[in-house]
Amino acid sequence: DTGVSQNPRHKITKRGQNVTFRCDPISEHNRLYWYRQTLGQGPEFLTYFQNEAQLEKSRLLSDRFSAERPKGSFSTLEIQRTEQGDSAMYLCASSLDSWDSRYSYEQYFGPGTRLTVT
Amino acid sequence: AQRVTQPEKLLSVFKGAPVELKCNYSYSGSPELFWYVQYSRQRLQLLLRHISRESIKGFTADLNKGETSFHLKKPFAQEEDSAMYYCALSGNSNSGYALNFGKGTSLLVTP
Repeated sequence: DTGVSQNPRHKITKRGQNVTFRCDPISEHNRLYWYRQTLGQGPEFLTYFQNEAQLEKSRLLSDRFSAERPKGSFSTLEIQRTEQGDSAMYLCASSLDSWDSRYSYEQYFGPGTRLTVT
Repeated sequence: AQRVTQPEKLLSVFKGAPVELKCNYSYSGSPELFWYVQYSRQRLQLLLRHISRESIKGFTADLNKGETSFHLKKPFAQEEDSAMYYCALSGNSNSGYALNFGKGTSLLVTP
């Protein structure tokens, strides 16, 4: 499978614990995005990487959240001191660079990691 | 501020009936709009985008800047069209073209 992969697919944790998720994008894709989706909502943008550089963060990304993309390949999203409000589906997407600043390329989504904080 | 509104949470139609999934947006610049679909137990995938002007699986969507709408239409619904549909607006290059999604509409096509 050459699509975007995410691990783990499900994570149950107790409040206050730290969790880390991994995303492996499509290999030639420079851009990588993290989104969060809660019940009844569409995905909400968290952050994005251009190669290894984290270039944009949403106000949704509190200080407890940190994301990395070492060497511009896979990415990790860590949540420290989890809270029940962090329970959500965390989606990763990747895309190619846009050659024309007017347009973007298609984002390919992973299957997501479902986090449940008890 | 960017906003995408999908007014219907659930839309139920009979097989063979026309379908229209509504999407309205607010955006100060020149918008780039998409429809994404999520079938049961599958990942989110692109259905169509306004700049390509394609018809995918019989679906079309026309950008109406005057009404700030990008409604998704299909003349004859099929049972396999049952899925969750999300309208999305692309941000600009500063945000890496991050997508701003609506809340989604669940389409149910019954025989």
